[in-house]
Amino acid sequence: AQRVTQPEKLLSVFKGAPVELKCNYSYSGSPELFWYVQYSRQRLQLLLRHISRESIKGFTADLNKGETSFHLKKPFAQEEDSAMYYCALSGQGGSEKLVFGKGTKLTVNP
Amino acid sequence: DAMVIQNPRYQVTQFGKPVTLSCSQTLNHNVMYWYQQKSSQAPKLLFHYYDKDFNNEADTPDNFQSRRPNTSFCFLDIRSPGLGDAAMYLCATSSGITQYFGPGTRLTVL
Repeated sequence: AQRVTQPEKLLSVFKGAPVELKCNYSYSGSPELFWYVQYSRQRLQLLLRHISRESIKGFTADLNKGETSFHLKKPFAQEEDSAMYYCALSGQGGSEKLVFGKGTKLTVNP
Repeated sequence: DAMVIQNPRYQVTQFGKPVTLSCSQTLNHNVMYWYQQKSSQAPKLLFHYYDKDFNNEADTPDNFQSRRPNTSFCFLDIRSPGLGDAAMYLCATSSGITQYFGPGTRLTVL
């Protein structure tokens, strides 16, 4: 069964500190992994996907197939990073349904 | 420049009174999705359309129906809303890997 686990419901850090949002997944094949973000009063939007191996707004995420993880990292958190972050998984091919984790609410304190 | 539009943003209905939520898109994407998101939970896929082909999730209650009269519009019909159907309903579109979300409609059932 496809499953995405985000163990931290809430995460609070100070501005300038490193931040890591954890995501573990369960999938029998080769999944596509994504991070979606929802800022206050805004719609859910794609932050990054593993296939692109890109850095968006200073965030990176590396797919670790051995540990079945896709943790989101940023070396220096900013106050504007405060948001709800969802890790999501899609079946091979990417055009299928997304399975979301329950989300982690990140608060970056001044 | 809203690309995925949902109306209304807030909907109040009475227990058992049918309600329809609307989604439109200007992206000309061939896939449209409906998700249900309850408080502090992950978005959960109800069904999706690939062009005109309807794909229902196995655990979506029969109470939930959908229509897609054309590429741009998709509707979610709840035939007899119960108190447990109160949630945020998200519409999303895609033409490949990335899904684009609307702002959601928050449904309250009295």
